[in-house]
Formats: sequence, C-alpha cells, structure tokens
Amino acid sequence: EDQVTQSPEALRLQEGESSSLNCSYTVSGLRGLFWYRQDPGKGPEFLFTLYSAGEEKEKERLKATLTKKESFLHITAPKPEDSATYLCAVQDLYNTDKLIFGTGTRLQVFP
Amino acid sequence: GAVVSQHPSWVICKSGTSVKIECRSLDFQATTMFWYRQFPKQSLMLMATSNEGSKATYEQGVEKDKFLINHASLTLSTLTVTSAHPEDSSFYICSARSGGGDQPQHFGDGTRLSIL
Repeated sequence: EDQVTQSPEALRLQEGESSSLNCSYTVSGLRGLFWYRQDPGKGPEFLFTLYSAGEEKEKERLKATLTKKESFLHITAPKPEDSATYLCAVQDLYNTDKLIFGTGTRLQVFP
Repeated sequence: GAVVSQHPSWVICKSGTSVKIECRSLDFQATTMFWYRQFPKQSLMLMATSNEGSKATYEQGVEKDKFLINHASLTLSTLTVTSAHPEDSSFYICSARSGGGDQPQHFGDGTRLSIL
C-alpha cells in the first residue's frame, strides 16, 4: 500500500535558522513526488514536482531533493512569511490520478 | 496562472439539507478535477476524480449517492452533499489539472462545511 510519512510534525525556527523537512514514502512505482505549501484555512499551493532520484529543484529559499525512499525540503535562512504547513504527496506510476498525501510539517518561523 | 476558485468558502446549514459546492478553473482548462476531504491535523483524502463529460470515479468507501459530482465543462465541477448530517462536517477542497498525470494539481481554497 502506498504510504507517505512526514517528519517532524511541527518545527519552530528562528528567522535565518536553516533546516530540513523529511518526506518518506512507500510506493509500488513512483511517477512523481509533489511538494505543496498550505496556509491555515486555505488550499495547498503547488511548489515542486520531482520525478527521479537525484533530482533537485529550487525556489527562493526552498530546495527539494529526492532519493529512492525519501524527499527533503531544505529551507535556507527562513523568514516569518515561510510559516505554513508543508505537504508532500506521491503519485503512483500505475494510478497517476491519485495523490497520496502525508499529514504535513507545520513550520513556524519567529523573528 | 493556474488559479482555482471554490465557492462558498464557508457553509453552515441544518441537518437534512443538500449543499452544493462549486469549483472553477479561472485561467486554464481542467481536463480532470478532484475532490478531497480534510480533517484537522490529517492528510487530504481523495474522494473522487472526474473528467469533463464523464461520470466521476469514487474512492473506496465514498458514497456516490451521498456526494454527487458533476463536471459539465472544462472549467467547472460541482460537489453536492445530499441530505447532509453532522458527520459530513469537514473541510472540502477541490483541485484541477490540465493535461495528463505529469501536470500538478492546483487547489482551490476549500469549503468549510458545518452541519448543525
């Protein structure tokens, strides 16, 4: 069964304190891994798609990486506006319509 | 780009009422739309997938007669919760995708449904 586990559940950082969020996954065949940002009371906002091990993508202070078992979202010198819940989702090669989401990491960045 | 609008954002109604939620892709054509349900501190759970002009495909355990989905055009899908009861209270979120599975899903801002 496809499964996604995100850690930590919550993370508190001082502004400028870099860190990483983890997404471990089990899937029969990986078509793609997606990262989203979700603000309270809002829908998820698309950040990145990763397709193969070794792939990396960057956007401002965020960098996503992928291995065969997990993905990391690295946050460099975060700012308070980076505070949000970050969701990871995997897409099965044999059912590309379905995204399996993790429960997210709730990030709080303090000034 | 890739804006998805969902209405209403908040609904409070009495038990037994039917509630319709709209999901529109504003600046792209959505060949596939999805409906999710999210409980507090839990992950998004896919309820159903719909392609324009076709019947929706429901996930296991989701009652199709309870949650009616219509995807009449490439920019609009609706979810109707029929005869809603308190246990149907939740956060419902739609997403839309253009093209095939390689494209990301873009999400609306959700509808908070509260059944009294």
